[in-house]
Amino acid sequence: SQTIHQWPATLVQPVGSPLSLECTVEGTSNPNLYWYRQAAGRGLQLLFYSVGIGQISSEVPQNLSASRPQDRQFILSSKKLLLSDSGFYLCAWNPGTNNEQFFGPGTRLTVL
Amino acid sequence: EDQVTQSPEALRLQEGESSSLNCSYTVSGLRGLFWYRQDPGKGPEFLFTLYSAGEEKEKERLKATLTKKESFLHITAPKPEDSATYLCAARFSGNTPLVFGKGTRLSVIA
Repeated sequence: SQTIHQWPATLVQPVGSPLSLECTVEGTSNPNLYWYRQAAGRGLQLLFYSVGIGQISSEVPQNLSASRPQDRQFILSSKKLLLSDSGFYLCAWNPGTNNEQFFGPGTRLTVL
Repeated sequence: EDQVTQSPEALRLQEGESSSLNCSYTVSGLRGLFWYRQDPGKGPEFLFTLYSAGEEKEKERLKATLTKKESFLHITAPKPEDSATYLCAARFSGNTPLVFGKGTRLSVIA
């Protein structure tokens, strides 16, 4: 069966510090991968998605970036965090066809 | 632009009081309508996928239905453990990301 992992589960970072969040999927190959952010009381905002290694589509211009160094690994990064980057970050995947997405457990990021 | 709108934003029910949540979408070649449940501090959990008008799916006290312009999530005789935020999402074309609604926050009071 397929499993999606995210880490860390929680993170508290100062403004201006770098960020690296990691997501890995097990039990599948060539998945579509997604990064979402969910601010308090708001909906899911799609940040990036990837249909293959090295292929990244950005949905919202900001100080975040994403990379996909391996087939089942998706990384969300920032060189300098802003207060507005605080939120709940979710990674998701689907098998690359017209069907449902499955979400990871999420990372709670607080920027102080 | 394709959009997904959920209503109400919040719903408070007494235990056993059946109700429905609504998800409406703009018509632009719907390729799938998805329902998720999200508990506080956790990632959304997949519930149902609906592909064509008239289709219905059931799981325990939940039943999802689909028309040409909206979907309903019917909750029959809810229990406190059904309290969560329910999200719907739509895929409008090909292998594109899902478009999510903002969710309905359901509270079931014993």
